[in-house]
Amino acid sequence: QTVVTQEPSLTVSPGGTVTLTCASTTGAVTSSYYPNWFQQKPGQAPRALIYSTSNKHSWTPARLSGSLVGGKAALTLSGAQPEDEAEYYCLLYLGGAQPWVFGGGTKLTVL
Amino acid sequence: QVQLQESGPGLVKPSETLSLTCTVSGGSISTYYWNWIRQPPGKGLEWIGYIFYSGSATYNPSLKSRVTMSIDTSKNQFSLNLNSVTAADTAVYYCARGDAKRKVDYWGQGTLVTVSS
Repeated sequence: QTVVTQEPSLTVSPGGTVTLTCASTTGAVTSSYYPNWFQQKPGQAPRALIYSTSNKHSWTPARLSGSLVGGKAALTLSGAQPEDEAEYYCLLYLGGAQPWVFGGGTKLTVL
Repeated sequence: QVQLQESGPGLVKPSETLSLTCTVSGGSISTYYWNWIRQPPGKGLEWIGYIFYSGSATYNPSLKSRVTMSIDTSKNQFSLNLNSVTAADTAVYYCARGDAKRKVDYWGQGTLVTVSS
């Protein structure tokens, strides 16, 4: 079974930049995996941020961007704000019998 | 503005069937994929499966033997049935919209289902 991995935790300073990554045990993540990214704060439902690698939803803050880096999907936060402290999940499309697989999540601390 | 709302019992006994419904408002249920996702307390997200507006469904292989999804386009609703539940099925259950561009955008607020006698 495919496993999607993310950094368990990361810390960024206010105003700083941080990149979260999402890897697959099947090999390099490409645009064909249509990476989606979500933000979840305690007690809330996940909120969609990025789809198809780098496309933003209308509500996605400009300081967030998606890309592919070194065979992984990446979410970059530039100019971190206190309200960015949250859990971030990636979702990869694998097709076949199990089309979608979530990563384990990254707990981002702004400190 | 598209909104999704989960509904169903918050408590299910072991070995029984968990049944949830998601009602879609502010948009049509047609042409989209409708997902069920769950999150055990303190843990990560798990994709359960999706159903297309046509009624065809695809499930997570780890749950496939126990899951059934259905859709009622006339009511703008889709449903999840998970049978033979155990304590390991205790989780917040979310419904979410997906499309053919592999975009998952709108989510319901989630509903906690506890499996306990």
